[in-house]
Amino acid sequence: AQSVSQHNHHVILSEAASLELGCNYSYGGTVNLFWYVQYPGQHLQLLLKYFSGDPLVKGIKGFEAEFIKSKFSFNLRKPSVQWSDTAEYFCAVISGSGGGADGLTFGKGTHLIIQP
Amino acid sequence: NAGVTQTPKFQVLKTGQSMTLQCAQDMNHNSMYWYRQDPGMGLRLIYYSASEGTTDKGEVPNGYNVSRLNKREFSLRLESAAPSQTSVYFCASTPLGQFPPYEQYFGPGTRLTVT
Repeated sequence: AQSVSQHNHHVILSEAASLELGCNYSYGGTVNLFWYVQYPGQHLQLLLKYFSGDPLVKGIKGFEAEFIKSKFSFNLRKPSVQWSDTAEYFCAVISGSGGGADGLTFGKGTHLIIQP
Repeated sequence: NAGVTQTPKFQVLKTGQSMTLQCAQDMNHNSMYWYRQDPGMGLRLIYYSASEGTTDKGEVPNGYNVSRLNKREFSLRLESAAPSQTSVYFCASTPLGQFPPYEQYFGPGTRLTVT
C-alpha cells in the first residue's frame, strides 16, 4: 500500500522567508503527485501536480515542487512567503497504474503559519 | 458550473442516529470519492466509485455505506452514528479516462459532530 510522509506538522515563518515542506512517498511504480492547500474554513484546492516530464513543477501563487525519484520525494517550495499563505498543506499520491480510479493517499498535513 | 457540491454543511447527530450526506458534481466526471478529515490524520478515503454502478471500500469504510445514484450523485450514509465519526467529510470527483495526472476536485465539506 502507498503511504505519504510529511515531516513538518507545524511550521511558523515570518513574511518574506523561504519555505520548503518535505514530502516522501512509499510506492515504487508510476505515481501521480500532488500538493493541495486548505485555507482556513475552505475546501482543498490544487497547488500543483506532477506525472512526468520536467521534475521541477510550477504551480499557482508562486509555489513549486521538485520530484526526486531516487529519494521518493516531492518537496514544496516558495522563495518568499506571504501572510496569505497561512493554511494547511497536504501532499498526496495516486498510483498511475489504476487509471486514476483509486483514491488519493494523503500525508497528514503541514499547518503553516506566516507571521506578519 | 458549480463543481462539486455537498449538503448539509453542518450537522449534529446523537449517537445511534442515522443520516445521509449528499454529494453531486456537474462536471460529467466518472469517478467519485468520500474522504474524512481528522486533525493530525490528513484525509483518509472511506469509499469510492470508479464509475456509475460500482463502489469500492477505501481505507476506513467501517460504519459507512454509499450509493452511486447516477453519474452525478454519490451519497454517504451513516446507519448508526458514533462519536468516532465526528469529522469533516469531503466529496471529490475526477474524470476517469483522462490522461494523468489524475487531479481530484473537492467539495466544500460537511462538518459532522456526533454527541
